Amino acid sequence: GNSVTQMEGPVTLSEEAFLTINCTYTATGYPSLFWYVQYPGEGLQLLLKATKADDKGSNKGFEATYRKETTSFHLEKGSVQVSDSAVYFCALRGSNYKLTFGKGTLLTVNP
Amino acid sequence: SAVISQKPSRDICQRGTSLTIQCQVDSQVTMMFWYRQQPGQSLTLIATANQGSEATYESGFVIDKFPISRPNLTFSTLTVSNMSPEDSSIYLCSVDPGGANTGELFFGEGSRLTVL
Repeated sequence: GNSVTQMEGPVTLSEEAFLTINCTYTATGYPSLFWYVQYPGEGLQLLLKATKADDKGSNKGFEATYRKETTSFHLEKGSVQVSDSAVYFCALRGSNYKLTFGKGTLLTVNP
Repeated sequence: SAVISQKPSRDICQRGTSLTIQCQVDSQVTMMFWYRQQPGQSLTLIATANQGSEATYESGFVIDKFPISRPNLTFSTLTVSNMSPEDSSIYLCSVDPGGANTGELFFGEGSRLTVL
């Protein structure tokens, strides 16, 4: 079956540091890949997505590239802000159209 | 996009009781999804709820334990029946307003249940 593995947190960074959250997946066929974010006290929100190999999703300074050869979709941001503190979920949608989520990574950015 | 309201936002329940969670969407959507997020775990799909038909449950989830109603295109309820401490979780309602199962789900803020 489909599965998503993302790096365990928590991750603590200083403001303006570089962020990488690793995500790898197992799926049959050609899944679509997503990053969702959950800010404190709020529901999950779609952050970015990529639907085919070599696509790059981007939003709010975050980027992730769909790497089929390494089955990865790592999330990156060049300079994090305190407001980026949240839980980040990697997810995939496979041929059955259902979303499979990773366990989530808690990011804390200190001023 | 879609705005989703869930009630209650949190509750503390006694073992053996049942609790119904409501999910209201600000637009008509074909499919609604109910997820569970156990402490320290990922989101797990419980069931898919279509208006006018019975919900479709995922492996490990049964209708007797998690009955779902979907009376119209903007509303759904999930009941957690005969609760035990293992049911302590966050329950989330979500929708795919694109209607094409794009995977771009919108989520409610969740209902955090603690079962004593």
